[in-house]
Amino acid sequence: QKEVEQDPGPLSVPEGAIVSLNCTYSNSAFQYFMWYRQYSRKGPELLMYTYSSGNKEDGRFTAQVDKSSKYISLFIRDSQPSDSATYLCAMSGYGQNFVFGPGTRLSVLP
Amino acid sequence: GAVVSQHPSWVICKSGTSVKIECRSLDFQATTMFWYRQFPKQSLMLMATSNEGSKATYEQGVEKDKFLINHASLTLSTLTVTSAHPEDSSFYICSAKHPSGVSYNEQFFGPGTRLTVL
Repeated sequence: QKEVEQDPGPLSVPEGAIVSLNCTYSNSAFQYFMWYRQYSRKGPELLMYTYSSGNKEDGRFTAQVDKSSKYISLFIRDSQPSDSATYLCAMSGYGQNFVFGPGTRLSVLP
Repeated sequence: GAVVSQHPSWVICKSGTSVKIECRSLDFQATTMFWYRQFPKQSLMLMATSNEGSKATYEQGVEKDKFLINHASLTLSTLTVTSAHPEDSSFYICSAKHPSGVSYNEQFFGPGTRLTVL
């Protein structure tokens, strides 16, 4: 079992739809959870950061962490064609390096 | 915001030659930088952790003699791919740990360097 699992997609949705992206993990020591957006042939950019369990909202983006289920989610409301990218989840324990999921390719169709 | 640059953005080289990739933190000092490799449609795989003034820490399976890392200053780390072969063709991305990010370990990523070995 991989340490972090993520559906690679591709996921295609119409403009304006609510997008749900998810990752599961196996290491109970993970405490820091991040979502990165990566456009083609570019470096990842941090979208959301969450420490431990709970929800966090920033504009159209909402991140959820459920440590009891070892499951994290990123929701995108009112999706736009400019949201088309690969979304990577990443997580780490205290003092540990990041572990990335394989990424989900999202296409938002106009 | 914190900016990390990489140079070159794209390099093509012949098999057997060496290629150097630079990673710079432009507006902050980074004691720790990371080097990742990403194959098409795959995730980032950590290659090594680069600490200023000390030897890099390599992940299991990464050849330290092939991927030479030098973190000579608080704003510059270099990755040299020695005797490159076609299987080394990949997207190499660096990141720098920001001392006052949203978390103690926030990393800012460079734009990546695409290496093609013929």
